[in-house]
Amino acid sequence: DTAVSQTPKYLVTQMGNDKSIKCEQNLGHDTMYWYKQDSKKFLKIMFSYNNKELIINETVPNRFSPKSPDKAHLNLHINSLELGDSAVYFCASSQLPSLAGGPGETQYFGPGTRLLVL
Amino acid sequence: GENVEQHPSTLSVQEGDSAVIKCTYSDSASNYFPWYKQELGKGPQLIIDIRSNVGEKKDQRIAVTLNKTAKHFSLHITETQPEDSAVYFCAAQNTGANSKLTFGKGITLSVRP
Repeated sequence: DTAVSQTPKYLVTQMGNDKSIKCEQNLGHDTMYWYKQDSKKFLKIMFSYNNKELIINETVPNRFSPKSPDKAHLNLHINSLELGDSAVYFCASSQLPSLAGGPGETQYFGPGTRLLVL
Repeated sequence: GENVEQHPSTLSVQEGDSAVIKCTYSDSASNYFPWYKQELGKGPQLIIDIRSNVGEKKDQRIAVTLNKTAKHFSLHITETQPEDSAVYFCAAQNTGANSKLTFGKGITLSVRP
């Protein structure tokens, strides 16, 4: 069984198009994340949802809109795609969000979606 | 915010030798330090983590050490094997509610057969 799955695995599209990436986790976790990994392998968080509520929203262009229909799913919609959006997008999940004074939460990553904007 | 530095950026070792990857962090409130391994074409996978109430943790050939005073932590891999070749990321997270995990830039480890 795949713990965190993403679709599609590869996405090639033209500048200006709108596309969506989907993520599902079957771990029973409450918290999900979207990360962007650029060509230099740098991993940076974009968004996080806890039980369908947005809890982390980094400095990301508003062309990116996450949506969590339920706590097992987190989708990412990107409008008006630009060349600089080309990257690998990873979904991740953790049992809980980071809690004040808490021990830190292990995050489990999906296999990634490789987006190429031409 | 937190800043995690990772050194070196690449590391090549002979099979059977040990590899050490070092990271520093800036936020003294950070208390959770995971290490992730990313193989080619795959997502990062947690290999070991350490929390600030311990100084060292081992799991077979892998160990992590933490020095909170100096704000650095290290990953030690002994008896390296070719399948250890991958990109390794350190990360740090503080104790705040809904705080984020901040990653280092990653190191590419190559184990020569």
